[in-house]
Amino acid sequence: GENVEQHPSTLSVQEGDSAVIKCTYSDSASNYFPWYKQELGKGPQLIIDIRSNVGEKKDQRIAVTLNKTAKHFSLHITETQPEDSAVYFCAASPSGAGSYQLTFGKGTKLSVIP
Amino acid sequence: DAGVIQSPRHEVTEMGQEVTLRCKPISGHNSLFWYRQTMMRGLELLIYFNNNVPIDDSGMPEDRFSAKMPNASFSTLKIQPSEPRDSAVYFCASSPRGGDSSSYNEQFFGPGTRLTVL
Repeated sequence: GENVEQHPSTLSVQEGDSAVIKCTYSDSASNYFPWYKQELGKGPQLIIDIRSNVGEKKDQRIAVTLNKTAKHFSLHITETQPEDSAVYFCAASPSGAGSYQLTFGKGTKLSVIP
Repeated sequence: DAGVIQSPRHEVTEMGQEVTLRCKPISGHNSLFWYRQTMMRGLELLIYFNNNVPIDDSGMPEDRFSAKMPNASFSTLKIQPSEPRDSAVYFCASSPRGGDSSSYNEQFFGPGTRLTVL
C-alpha cells in the first residue's frame, strides 16, 4: 500500500518568514495530493490540493509543488502570520477504484512566532 | 452552508460500556468516511460508505466496532464494549464524489468526537 512520509514534524518560524513542509510517497499510482490544516480542537480543513497533471498550484500565500518523478510534493506558505499556526497534513490518493483512499502523513506542527 | 456535523463532541465512558457516535454529512455528498486519530497512529480510515453502502471496512479494528448508514443524511459508529485503547478522536468526513475511475476525492471533515474510555 501507499506510504507517505512528512518532514519536519515540528517547524517554528518568525512571523513574515516562509515555511516549507515536504512529503514523499511510495505508490507511483497516486495522483491526487491534498493538504489539510488542523487547528486545536477542530477537524482537518482542506486548504489546497494538486493533481498529477500539474506541477505547481498557488492560492494567495500558499502554494504546492509536485515532482512525480521523484515522488515528492511540498507546501509553501509565504509571509506567515500567527493564525497559520496549526498542524498540517499531506495526503496521497490513487485514481481509479481506490480513489477514496487518502493516506496521510504524520503531520507537521507549525508555530509562527509573532 | 453547514459542514459535517458530529455529536457528541466529547464522550467520557467507562470500560465495557457501549458508545455511539453520530454524523450528519454535507447535504448532497454521496460518500462518507469514519476516521480515528491518535498520536501514535495518526489519521486512520475505519470505514467508507458510498451511496449509503459500506464499500471498505478493512480499517475497522475488530468486531467491537460497527458502523451504519441508514440514509444519506445520517451515520453512526458504535463501539461495544468499549476499551481504554479506543480512546481517540473520531472524525466523520464526507465527499461529493463517488470514487469512480474518473474522479478524485475531496474530503470534508467534521469537528470530531473526542472519546475517553476509563
